[in-house]
Amino acid sequence: DGGITQSPKYLFRKEGQNVTLSCEQNLNHDAMYWYRQDPGQGLRLIYYSQIVNDFQKGDIAEGYSVSREKKESFPLTVTSAQKNPTAFYLCASGQMNRDWRTEAFFGQGTRLTVV
Amino acid sequence: AQTVTQSQPEMSVQEAETVTLSCTYDTSENNYYLFWYKQPPSRQMILVIRQEAYKQQNATENRFSVNFQKAAKSFSLKISDSQLGDTAMYFCAFMKQKGANAGNMLTFGGGTRLMVKP
Repeated sequence: DGGITQSPKYLFRKEGQNVTLSCEQNLNHDAMYWYRQDPGQGLRLIYYSQIVNDFQKGDIAEGYSVSREKKESFPLTVTSAQKNPTAFYLCASGQMNRDWRTEAFFGQGTRLTVV
Repeated sequence: AQTVTQSQPEMSVQEAETVTLSCTYDTSENNYYLFWYKQPPSRQMILVIRQEAYKQQNATENRFSVNFQKAAKSFSLKISDSQLGDTAMYFCAFMKQKGANAGNMLTFGGGTRLMVKP
């Protein structure tokens, strides 16, 4: 089945440590995105990539880094520079189809907690 | 930059009744897409319905329909015959239309928490 897989589902990090969240898709989508969701709030864009080896900062990129070495993979690293990393992280991918409609598919998310 | 506003943080509806969730947006674009996503307690985002801005006809998917008012920049979601499984957070989202083979980023509203009561 096609879809997006995020791992792990739950992640704990000690203060001062970097941690990497995995996102893999087998939908052959060109674009991939990382969003952060805080309790009771909407989704905010961290980074997005429209093509392999290229990515752009979103609204809240500080303290995060990404790479896009393969079309299928878009890992997100939460660095020690991110002062408030505890949140729910959602990865998404998207593609224009032949009739010019577009939509994004989401993974199931990773809950990161700093301990 | 685009902004999406959902003015109702929480709503409730009785099972089998109809409820309407509001969404307004601000953009200078003429071609774009609008979406409603559902996020149940499992936290996974599920596409409910989408609307292309160039289409005047309102989108409908079974019990879900939208009222798209382009001039007013309004995009409300109507849920008919509400079911207990409709209980979730609902997010309105905006996406610009760019060139072919290009991905686009979604801009989300703050969400509306809907509770369907038995």
